[in-house]
Amino acid sequence: GENVEQHPSTLSVQEGDSAVIKCTYSDSASNYFPWYKQELGKRPQLIIDIRSNVGEKKDQRIAVTLNKTAKHFSLHITETQPEDSAVYFCAAVVGSARQLTFGSGTQLTVLP
Amino acid sequence: DAGVIQSPRHEVTEMGQEVTLRCKPISGHDYLFWYRQTMMRGLELLIYFNNNVPIDDSGMPEDRFSAKMPNASFSTLKIQPSEPRDSAVYFCASSQIFRAPAYEQYFGPGTRLTVT
Repeated sequence: GENVEQHPSTLSVQEGDSAVIKCTYSDSASNYFPWYKQELGKRPQLIIDIRSNVGEKKDQRIAVTLNKTAKHFSLHITETQPEDSAVYFCAAVVGSARQLTFGSGTQLTVLP
Repeated sequence: DAGVIQSPRHEVTEMGQEVTLRCKPISGHDYLFWYRQTMMRGLELLIYFNNNVPIDDSGMPEDRFSAKMPNASFSTLKIQPSEPRDSAVYFCASSQIFRAPAYEQYFGPGTRLTVT
């Protein structure tokens, strides 16, 4: 089955700096890559996603890039703010399957 | 839309007791997923349903776990008998094949289960 690895497990940045979280996947048939944000004690919520026919997608301060050849994708957050502090999960979907395979998560802390 | 509803939000039970977690998906959604989240294992998919039919239960850890979806608006996850290692947050999520993005899953608030 699909395996998704996520790095780093923890990340601390100063407010205003950029943060980058990276994921790799194993199954070349994966075609959808969402990113979820989970605040402490809350549910995971989708923040951005990308399909395999797109190399980059932006939404205000967040962007996701995908390298199909290398089988990795990354989340970029610019001008970080304290409210960006949370656990971020990457995930992958293989083909027409519906289930998400999640990475292990990254605890992002934005220091004021 | 009320979103995905889960009950109870917190459950504390003793080892050996039966536990039933409940989920109401978003109206019109045809996929329902059950996840378990722990610090050690992260977010794990336990089972998912399509149009009330279980599609993949390979993530269900043991025969002590069972899940049902008797109709489009209700699903249960049952643990019998419960063990301390079952302590986790259990999330239910739903999605709709024709809703863009088609794979987006909406998570419920979760049930925090503690087995003592």
